[in-house]
This record gives sequence, structure tokens and C-alpha cells, in this order.
Amino acid sequence: SQQGEEDPQALSIQEGENATMNCSYKTSINNLQWYRQNSGRGLVHLILIRSNEREKHSGRLRVTLDTSKKSSSLLITASRAADTASYFCATVTDTGRRALTFGSGTRLQVQP
Amino acid sequence: EAQVTQNPRYLITVTGKKLTVTCSQNMNHEYMSWYRQDPGLGLRQIYYSMNVEVTDKGDVPEGYKVSRKEKRNFPLILESPSPNQTSLYFCASSYEGGTLGTQYFGPGTRLLVL
Repeated sequence: SQQGEEDPQALSIQEGENATMNCSYKTSINNLQWYRQNSGRGLVHLILIRSNEREKHSGRLRVTLDTSKKSSSLLITASRAADTASYFCATVTDTGRRALTFGSGTRLQVQP
Repeated sequence: EAQVTQNPRYLITVTGKKLTVTCSQNMNHEYMSWYRQDPGLGLRQIYYSMNVEVTDKGDVPEGYKVSRKEKRNFPLILESPSPNQTSLYFCASSYEGGTLGTQYFGPGTRLLVL
């Protein structure tokens, strides 16, 4: 089942601009995680935000979480061509089930 | 180097020919899982294991088997592959601390079933 849904599906920006991706989910969560995937390769963990947190930063990444709206956003500031990738949100529910449920991802293209 | 390895990376096979995709991690993680990735569907969990000899079904377990006889290994077995199992497969592992945290993914196995 698709717990997380990313928006937009695709995003194209110029180097130096900010990129914002959104994720909505359906059920209560324990935490939400963002991953990056370069074309056809393994996923790399970016940030984990817990349900009792509202914002986290890591370098040029900023993640927010609004549990009342069941949504999260990932902001990449001062984007670089190397940020070109697909970005996925994944949720861990608070039911105790040991699974990440992924959305279908946002494809980000950063033009040099 | 801490890593999750998968073999083979690419595999072409025919319908009905049993195959195994291996997964190994060197981080002493308790939790391991398998996902498949299909265009437009994101990643869907096939099976997971919380520790040795403990496995459970994910969202799409039909047509797959797993075993966890050692902590570091979690092979995925397709007893009788069919074309609808053509996909990109990922193994992942993490610490098991009461809830799921950061997952470490392998590089993926691209499978084509003719």
C-alpha cells in the first residue's frame, strides 16, 4: 500500500535555486525518512524525522513535518547538478509493523 | 567499509527456473528486508526479518521465499519465477531498536524473467 505520496512527481530547476518536495501520508507515523536514489542505484538515507519533531536540518537539507496535516517537505537549498536524483519519503507507522512504506518519488533535475 | 552487498547485480532467466539473490551485510544489523521497485510504484516490501530465524511477510510476498539462518545473510528465493517478477530488487538492513530507523540499502539486483 502507498503510504507516502510525493509531490511534484518531477521537478526541473537551475543550479543555485532551491528545490522543495512534498510528501503526504495517510496513517499515524512513528517517523518519516527521506532517501535519495541516483538512477537505477541503491537508496541513500538523507534524514529521519520523528513524529514529535517539527523540523530538522542536515547541511543543505531541511525537512519539516506537520503531523496534523500528515505531510512533510524536503527543501534542498542552493542546489547543484549533483543533486539530480529521485527523492523518496518513507514512513514507519506507529503500529509496530517493521516496514518502511515508500511513496513513488520525486524526480529532480538540476540544470547546470 | 560498512555495506550491504547483493549478488548478482544483473540476472536474465526464464520462467520457472529457480533462482536465489543473495544479500549480506557487515554491520551486525538485526533487521533485514527485501524490496522491489517498479516504475511508478516506488518500493514495495517483499519480506523482512527482525533477527535470525524470524521472518515475516511484507506487502508483496507472493512468489518469493526467504530464510535467515545467519545474522549477516538474507537470501531471496524465487522458486518458479514469472515475467511479472521482472523488477529491480533491493536488500536493506538496519538496527532493530524497537522501531525502524535508518535503512542501509544494497546496490540493487536487476532481474529480467523471460
